[in-house]
Amino acid sequence: KAGVTQTPRYLIKTRGQQVTLSCSPISGHRSVSWYQQTPGQGLQFLFEYFSETQRNKGNFPGRFSGRQFSNSRSEMNVSTLELGDSALYLCASSLGLAALRGTDTQYFGPGTRLTVL
Amino acid sequence: TQLLEQSPQFLSIQEGENLTVYCNSSSVFSSLQWYRQEPGEGPVLLVTVVTGGEVKKLKRLTFQFGDARKDSSLHITAAQPGDTGLYLCAGVSGTYKYIFGTGTRLKVLA
Repeated sequence: KAGVTQTPRYLIKTRGQQVTLSCSPISGHRSVSWYQQTPGQGLQFLFEYFSETQRNKGNFPGRFSGRQFSNSRSEMNVSTLELGDSALYLCASSLGLAALRGTDTQYFGPGTRLTVL
Repeated sequence: TQLLEQSPQFLSIQEGENLTVYCNSSSVFSSLQWYRQEPGEGPVLLVTVVTGGEVKKLKRLTFQFGDARKDSSLHITAAQPGDTGLYLCAGVSGTYKYIFGTGTRLKVLA
């Protein structure tokens, strides 16, 4: 079965612009989580969506937002880009709420590498 | 704030050597997971440990969860170049968010 797909894989933007990233989960998975990965901060949780509702949110400013559609596909938006937003953005899908029990398997996509100039 | 500290941060070894990676916290976790991430890809789950003192073996990889459920270790026997990658531990916080460790970047030289 197809894995998690993310588009685009690479993106270059300038400060002040906004960007939308897309994630298609594994078929049948209802949860999509988003993470930011940087060399300095490592892998940090952004938010999780389940059945079109945001179920949990990490410690990121309101410029970071997301949504999930009825087919479980998810988008993440970052507005007013800053240099520090340059990172690898990963999404992960799981059958149920990923962190509810901490034992469900999260399947990660290859990520979108965002560079802000 | 719950943190997961991994050590060492970097490790470069020769093929055939053994190594151990540590994941430590001052907080108790109900479970811990280990992932490996290769360049250009997302992390891939290797194992989940849920019981204090639990030991799981996957071929040449041995995972242990500390008795107090605050720490975990990953031991690789006879490392191979294919083991090269970024190893991450992860646990679920009290507010149901995944926390990832600081990472250990392993390079196995042929």
